[in-house]
Amino acid sequence: QKEVEQNSGPLSVPEGAIASLNCTYSDRGSQSFFWYRQYSGKSPELIMSIYSNGDKEDGRFTAQLNKASQYVSLLIRDSQPSDSATYLCAFYILTGGGNKLTFGTGTQLKVEL
Amino acid sequence: DAGVTQSPTHLIKTRGQQVTLRCSPKSGHDTVSWYQQALGQGPQFIFQYYEEEERQRGNFPDRFSGHQFPNYSSELNVNALLLGDSALYLCASSSLYDRYEQYFGPGTRLTVT
Repeated sequence: QKEVEQNSGPLSVPEGAIASLNCTYSDRGSQSFFWYRQYSGKSPELIMSIYSNGDKEDGRFTAQLNKASQYVSLLIRDSQPSDSATYLCAFYILTGGGNKLTFGTGTQLKVEL
Repeated sequence: DAGVTQSPTHLIKTRGQQVTLRCSPKSGHDTVSWYQQALGQGPQFIFQYYEEEERQRGNFPDRFSGHQFPNYSSELNVNALLLGDSALYLCASSSLYDRYEQYFGPGTRLTVT
């Protein structure tokens, strides 16, 4: 089983709709969860972090975490063509020895006019 | 506030050669992590440096080595390059004061021919 699983997509949504991106992880010790956005040919950009169960909202983005189900999601409201990118889910387990990020392979989102 | 910087942007090397990539962390960050991202994949953790020591290492051979300097900048060295080392190399910086959230630089695109 992969440590982090994401649907590779592409996920296509019309402009103005809600895009829902999902991620499951296998390590119950995972503590901190992140969503990165990566445009083609560019580096990942941190857009959301979430540390405890529940929802966290930031502008048009909402991250949801359910540690019991080992599930984290990202909702993008009022999707815009500029949201078209690959979205990477990642987590780390903070230990005395470091905090490496473990990434999924990413979900490609396409927002269509 | 300067973000993470990396140099060079692009690099073309021949099999068997050696390469050095450089990274300067975001202002106020003291921890540097290196990742390798192959096309269509999520970033893979190479290693992390803190206080000039390698704190954590991923599943990469000894051909991959690094260094952190007193000003927190870092280098990634790869010896005896293989075709399979062609990838985007990403540097990320973090700090306890930013909850160890990792911010990426623009990356170095390495092509091995």
